[in-house]
Amino acid sequence: NAGVTQTPKFQVLKTGQSMTLQCAQDMNHEYMSWYRQDPGMGLRLIHYSVGAGITDQGEVPNGYNVSRSTTEDFPLRLLSAAPSQTSVYFCASSPSRGGHNEQFFGPGTRLTVL
Amino acid sequence: DAKTTQPNSMESNEEEPVHLPCNHSTISGTDYIHWYRQLPSQGPEYVIHGLTSNVNNRMASLAIAEDRKSSTLILHRATLRDAAVYYCILRDVTLAGNDMRFGAGTRLTVKP
Repeated sequence: NAGVTQTPKFQVLKTGQSMTLQCAQDMNHEYMSWYRQDPGMGLRLIHYSVGAGITDQGEVPNGYNVSRSTTEDFPLRLLSAAPSQTSVYFCASSPSRGGHNEQFFGPGTRLTVL
Repeated sequence: DAKTTQPNSMESNEEEPVHLPCNHSTISGTDYIHWYRQLPSQGPEYVIHGLTSNVNNRMASLAIAEDRKSSTLILHRATLRDAAVYYCILRDVTLAGNDMRFGAGTRLTVKP
């Protein structure tokens, strides 16, 4: 199993550009989520999904859109990038949302918005 | 949401045991205690989790206080590869509430 994969590893955008961060998992996990991590800080939840076709907002959802058309994929879209979105983005998956499950994290995408 | 409190940083010598504390005085009966660690430039990695009883796995041990208001992650013999930020997180077993809340964690430095 590849686990949780993320592409790209690095990205530089100009203010106002759009892009999609890709996330895929091959463990047939129901639950997937996106976090951002700013320098020197812990992770903050952006959006999450409890299954295909179901998404919900996390702690910091503004400026981001998500969709979940398949169990495997959970892309994160930035519609109009802003410098405040410069961060490292992590995707995670878990068999379900329950607190008894561990989460598996991807390697991250380092995004810089100029 | 129940919150956790950890020391900002700790130091250890290589091959010695390390005890990383976590306070969670407002923990609810449906909260699992999870520990993750993050090595430099990597995504978080699951370490261990438990509900009420102490837990052991190949990476570490988790000691949970009887009243569940605190817990301790134990690395039995620290190596240089254990240098990381360690996060203590509560996860509700029910569907209510938000997902994992990461605090600042404890930065563990391991000295040779």
